[in-house]
Amino acid sequence: DGGITQSPKYLFRKEGQNVTLSCEQNLNHDAMYWYRQDPGQGLRLIYYSQIVNDFQKGDIAEGYSVSREKKESFPLTVTSAQKNPTAFYLCASSIVRGYSGGGFSGANVLTFGAGSRLTVL
Amino acid sequence: GDSVTQMEGPVTLSEEAFLTINCTYTATGYPSLFWYVQYPGEGLQLLLKATKADDKGSNKGFEATYRKETTSFHLEKGSVQVSDSAVYFCALSTYTGTASKLTFGTGTRLQVTL
Repeated sequence: DGGITQSPKYLFRKEGQNVTLSCEQNLNHDAMYWYRQDPGQGLRLIYYSQIVNDFQKGDIAEGYSVSREKKESFPLTVTSAQKNPTAFYLCASSIVRGYSGGGFSGANVLTFGAGSRLTVL
Repeated sequence: GDSVTQMEGPVTLSEEAFLTINCTYTATGYPSLFWYVQYPGEGLQLLLKATKADDKGSNKGFEATYRKETTSFHLEKGSVQVSDSAVYFCALSTYTGTASKLTFGTGTRLQVTL
């Protein structure tokens, strides 16, 4: 079955360390996204990518970095510059507007992974 | 900027009760509207969506109608089950380039008891 795989599910980090969260999809989606979820705050967009080798900052990109070397993969690095990294991180993907089949239907529907919970010790 | 406001939880209901979770939005243009559901320890799953005014999205007994005049997209279900216990997120979507940018509400936790 097609889907999004995030790993690890749980991750512990010491202060001052960088950590990388993995996100892999086999849905053949062009667009991929990283969201951060905190209790009582909903989800906030960190970074997104519309195509390989290109990505844009979302609303809370400071202290994070990404790469998009392959269509299937969009890893997120939480750097030591992120002051409050403890959170639940969600990766998502979607087709892009204008995809084959005509029109925009489905292009704004995101498929999410199961998430990675990062705790800073 | 775009924003979504939904009622605070938790909402606690007995099985077979009627459910309403309120959601209102602020956006420029004509966004698409969504309800996503999150079960404990999992990612989000799309529950239903509506892409234009007066559209009704429905799935698994849940319904929501896109009301442009009141900028609302309230979620309803006639008879909830224990298995509906989860966190429900209202969201709107606008396009940035070819990618979709979702703006989420803070989520409403629903707990259904026997």
